[in-house]
Amino acid sequence: EPEVTQTPSHQVTQMGQEVILRCVPISNHLYFYWYRQILGQKVEFLVSFYNNEISEKSEIFDDQFSVERPDGSNFTLKIRSTKLEDSAMYFCASSEGQGDTPQHFGDGTRLSIL
Amino acid sequence: EDQVTQSPEALRLQEGESSSLNCSYTVSGLRGLFWYRQDPGKGPEFLFTLYSAGEEKEKERLKATLTKKESFLHITAPKPEDSATYLCAVPSDSGNTPLVFGKGTRLSVIA
Repeated sequence: EPEVTQTPSHQVTQMGQEVILRCVPISNHLYFYWYRQILGQKVEFLVSFYNNEISEKSEIFDDQFSVERPDGSNFTLKIRSTKLEDSAMYFCASSEGQGDTPQHFGDGTRLSIL
Repeated sequence: EDQVTQSPEALRLQEGESSSLNCSYTVSGLRGLFWYRQDPGKGPEFLFTLYSAGEEKEKERLKATLTKKESFLHITAPKPEDSATYLCAVPSDSGNTPLVFGKGTRLSVIA
């Protein structure tokens, strides 16, 4: 069964450094997302991406964050200058359509900021 | 304001002891309600989508139902491998794509 894959599984970074989290969505999906989950809290939406542009973003997704689809398979999330509060699990998801279409999630990248 | 509320927060069952998990939502114009299973250290795994009141979906020991204000995930004769956190999510009021998740119900099934 097709799946969303994410790398790395765990990333440890010093505060202030840049990180790039990588995702390979399911191949025939057109909508891509990033969510995060701080330990013990809800899964929270960050950004959605369609047709090579951001379609929606949350208040969390400030100027420190950016997303890119550099080629036909990868989807990346960049955090320019990490803060301690960026420590969380970051999940990539993809879906065939929007809104009422199921989103399928990867197993996440655990980001630890020191 | 929370749009999705799940109860109970945690549930401990003996193997074979059936029960139900609840998800209530407050979004207007529901465009689907999603159930996911999440194992520790893993991403949410899609289980079901429900679109209209009265709809039911089944998968093995799980059955999801939907009313106008809430959804139930019924677990019949659970096994230890059903232990996980079960998440409920709905598309937000503010847009077409973001999912709003509940905090989940952490289910433990004891042999």
